[in-house]
Amino acid sequence: GQQVMQIPQYQHVQEGEDFTTYCNSSTTLSNIQWYKQRPGGHPVFLIQLVKSGEVKKQKRLTFQFGEAKKNSSLHITATQTTDVGTYFCASLTASKLTFGTGTRLQVTL
Amino acid sequence: GAVVSQHPSWVICKSGTSVKIECRSLDFQATTMFWYRQFPKQSLMLMATSNEGSKATYEQGVEKDKFLINHASLTLSTLTVTSAHPEDSSFYICSASGSGANVLTFGAGSRLTVL
Repeated sequence: GQQVMQIPQYQHVQEGEDFTTYCNSSTTLSNIQWYKQRPGGHPVFLIQLVKSGEVKKQKRLTFQFGEAKKNSSLHITATQTTDVGTYFCASLTASKLTFGTGTRLQVTL
Repeated sequence: GAVVSQHPSWVICKSGTSVKIECRSLDFQATTMFWYRQFPKQSLMLMATSNEGSKATYEQGVEKDKFLINHASLTLSTLTVTSAHPEDSSFYICSASGSGANVLTFGAGSRLTVL
């Protein structure tokens, strides 16, 4: 079945540093969604990418969908302590949302 | 925006008892609801998909007789963990989508601890 891996599993940065998480699929994806889950909280939808090579920005966050639609990335510029949490990519296939393994981000001052 | 209410937010129960978790869509009709389970520091694993008025579709490895799902109306789905054991302790999260929507709204989750 479809597997969606994310790297790294965990990253610890100092506030102001950049951060990137990568999402890789064994199969071609029709779309990719990104979610953020704060510690103790539930996933919150960030964005959806559909087109090959698509790039979208939300303030300090930049999302990319690979040309082959098998990978995606989320880049945060100048991290802040409010960015702490686990970032999941997810793909919607046959009305089911399959989550990646997640990347846990820790930001310290 | 769309809101999904999940209740209870946390529950502690004795081994062998059953626990019911409710998931309600507050301002939209949820044709499909999804139930996920998340163990500490792990990803969300889809347990089952429920469609209003029909039987739930369970993922491979999920016991349908242990995790009873009912989706009796367009705004309510329930998950009952029957004869709970300590290994069932987990964070259970529901999510819902309206007709034609491909973005899910998640409930706040229910943390189950079985003693």
